[in-house]
Amino acid sequence: NAGVTQTPKFRVLKTGQSMTLLCAQDMNHEYMYWYRQDPGMGLRLIHYSVGEGTTAKGEVPDGYNVSRLKKQNFLLGLESAAPSQTSVYFCASSPRGRIQETQYFGPGTRLLVL
Amino acid sequence: AQKVTQAQTEISVVEKEDVTLDCVYETRDTTYYLFWYKQPPSGELVFLIRRNSFDEQNEISGRYSWNFQKSTSSFNFTITASQVVDSAVYFCALSEAAGGGADGLTFGKGTHLIIQP
Repeated sequence: NAGVTQTPKFRVLKTGQSMTLLCAQDMNHEYMYWYRQDPGMGLRLIHYSVGEGTTAKGEVPDGYNVSRLKKQNFLLGLESAAPSQTSVYFCASSPRGRIQETQYFGPGTRLLVL
Repeated sequence: AQKVTQAQTEISVVEKEDVTLDCVYETRDTTYYLFWYKQPPSGELVFLIRRNSFDEQNEISGRYSWNFQKSTSSFNFTITASQVVDSAVYFCALSEAAGGGADGLTFGKGTHLIIQP
C-alpha cells in the first residue's frame, strides 16, 4: 500500500516549456487535491477533484490545468511554465472529502522554472 | 484576512525547553475541524492531530499537547522537553463545513521550529 505517490520528485524547466505532474493513490479515495507550497506562504489549493471525470478550481488555479481520467490518478499540467510557478507541489487525497477527514499527502514535487 | 494565522514565523529554543506554537483561526461556521501537520527537513507532510469544533478537551500525546479554545479561536500546540528531532516546519490548517471539505484545507503560513542541541 503505497498511499499517495508523485512523479517526478524534481524537475527543472525553462520558461515556456510544458510538463505534467502525476499523482497516484491506491486508497480508493474519491477526492484529490493539488497544492503548491511557497516560502512563507504555507500551502495553497490549486485545483481539486471530487471524483473521476470532475475537476474544480481552488485558490490559485491560473496557469494550471488538471485532469482526472481515472479515479486513482490526478494530473497537474503546466502548459507554458513561468518562473512564478517555481514551487513545491503536493498532491493529497481524502476518502469522501468530508471536513473531518484527514488528507493524505504525497511526498511532493520540487519544480524549478528558469 | 487570513483564515489561519501562525504569527510565529520562526522559533529557536535549546533542547529540553518547552515550546508553544500558536494558531489562530477565523471561520463563520459552527462546524469545522482543525489540524496540525509537521514538515520535517525531508519535506513530507506528517499528520499530527485533528480536532473538531465541538470538542474543546485538551489533547496530549507523549510530549505533544494541544490546547483548543473556541473563545479565543486558538488551537495551540506545545512540545514539552523538546528534542532535536522536533525541528521542522509546523502547519496549522482549517477545514470548514461551508466548503463541505471539497475546498481542501486552509493552511497557515507555518512556524519553523529550530531545536538547538
